[in-house]
Amino acid sequence: QQQVKQSPQSLIVQKGGISIINCAYENTAFDYFPWYQQFPGKGPALLIAIRPDVSEKKEGRFTISFNKSAKQFSLHIMDSQPGDSATYFCAAGAGSYQLTFGKGTKLSVIP
Amino acid sequence: DAGVTQSPTHLIKTRGQQVTLRCSPISGHKSVSWYQQVLGQGPQFIFQYYEKEERGRGNFPDRFSARQFPNYSSELNVNALLLGDSALYLCASSLHGGVKSGANVLTFGAGSRLTVL
Repeated sequence: QQQVKQSPQSLIVQKGGISIINCAYENTAFDYFPWYQQFPGKGPALLIAIRPDVSEKKEGRFTISFNKSAKQFSLHIMDSQPGDSATYFCAAGAGSYQLTFGKGTKLSVIP
Repeated sequence: DAGVTQSPTHLIKTRGQQVTLRCSPISGHKSVSWYQQVLGQGPQFIFQYYEKEERGRGNFPDRFSARQFPNYSSELNVNALLLGDSALYLCASSLHGGVKSGANVLTFGAGSRLTVL
């Protein structure tokens, strides 16, 4: 049973554009929502994370928007760069590090 | 400062064999978690250990087992390998066992890629 649904599966964005990846969860016990970035041959690296007591968190070009009532959260990458080309995973956890991951979004930023 | 180190990086086994994967956490980190990442999918939780005790287990058969040593390093063992066990096995470490602190980041290693023939 997939508890975190991520879309789209793949995304192509022009350099300088905005990349948007969406996730939805089912388990209302989740209270920690991180986004991970993974390059080929590497492990996932934490990009940014949010807790349900805030609706938005921004770190540089990366912003998480969180809608608790809709059980949805999204990642926005502003001014997307070719170096941002990677696979992005949303995840959710409930009090421990037993994270449930989405299936991932492969982002390609073209010059 | 060394990150999470895993060994071996790649290995090939045949069906029915057994495999042991090793993980060294970041210095000072007391929690180690194991995840399985099948090609094209997100990581799936297998085990979490904190202070050498199992704190959580995902939906994996008993062929999968793990342990954490006094120095906080960890091993993942998989017996009676199946073709479907082919995956990238990721180890992650964190300072504590939970996410109560905003600074308690889960850091992944580069993984051990297992191919079962």
